[in-house]
Amino acid sequence: DTAVSQTPKYLVTQMGNDKSIKCEQNLGHDTMYWYKQDSKKFLKIMFSYNNKELIINETVPNRFSPKSPDKAHLNLHINSLELGDSAVYFCASGRRGVPEAFFGQGTRLTVV
Amino acid sequence: SQELEQSPQSLIVQEGKNLTINCTSSKTLYGLYWYKQKYGEGLIFLMMLQKGGEEKSHEKITAKLDEKKQQSSLHITASQPSHAGIYLCGADVGGSEKLVFGKGTKLTVNP
Repeated sequence: DTAVSQTPKYLVTQMGNDKSIKCEQNLGHDTMYWYKQDSKKFLKIMFSYNNKELIINETVPNRFSPKSPDKAHLNLHINSLELGDSAVYFCASGRRGVPEAFFGQGTRLTVV
Repeated sequence: SQELEQSPQSLIVQEGKNLTINCTSSKTLYGLYWYKQKYGEGLIFLMMLQKGGEEKSHEKITAKLDEKKQQSSLHITASQPSHAGIYLCGADVGGSEKLVFGKGTKLTVNP
């Protein structure tokens, strides 16, 4: 009965590849987020979706594209992966107007 | 510029000792969240504070938000090795719909 689940937990891939990370929440929240945690453990928001609509889009390369098929899912697609994309990516969910409080376990992406 | 300053960056204490981690902003915090991240694992939600002067406790961990809502502290009493990890404060700074985070405090508790 995991609240926010991400898959895969670990992802190792070569430069130039395209990969996706999936996120699902069963909390009935209307807002979902993607955060990136860099090597210095700094956590920074990338995207936010509310009811399948993009509401926050920070300065992120166009190679990153979120896709929300429904309110319970927010997937992250990354094209032409670069070494600098290596990080832990966290998905989170919450309610519009209230900062989110529920995070997934994270996906450790390593680009080689 | 970093909107949330967290201190100290790392902390090593002996088991049984008390410790405090601080989280400070130059702006009003509309919601302050404390998380714990165990090495290689996800973020665990600890507590949320919203009102000035609010204080919450869970087991041996107490979090406070000052009256001006610009500073929060996380206090651990009688620390145990299980408290080890990285503690992150996150906050809604300026009433936006996203959290910004401090850089985290790495806590090591030696038995």
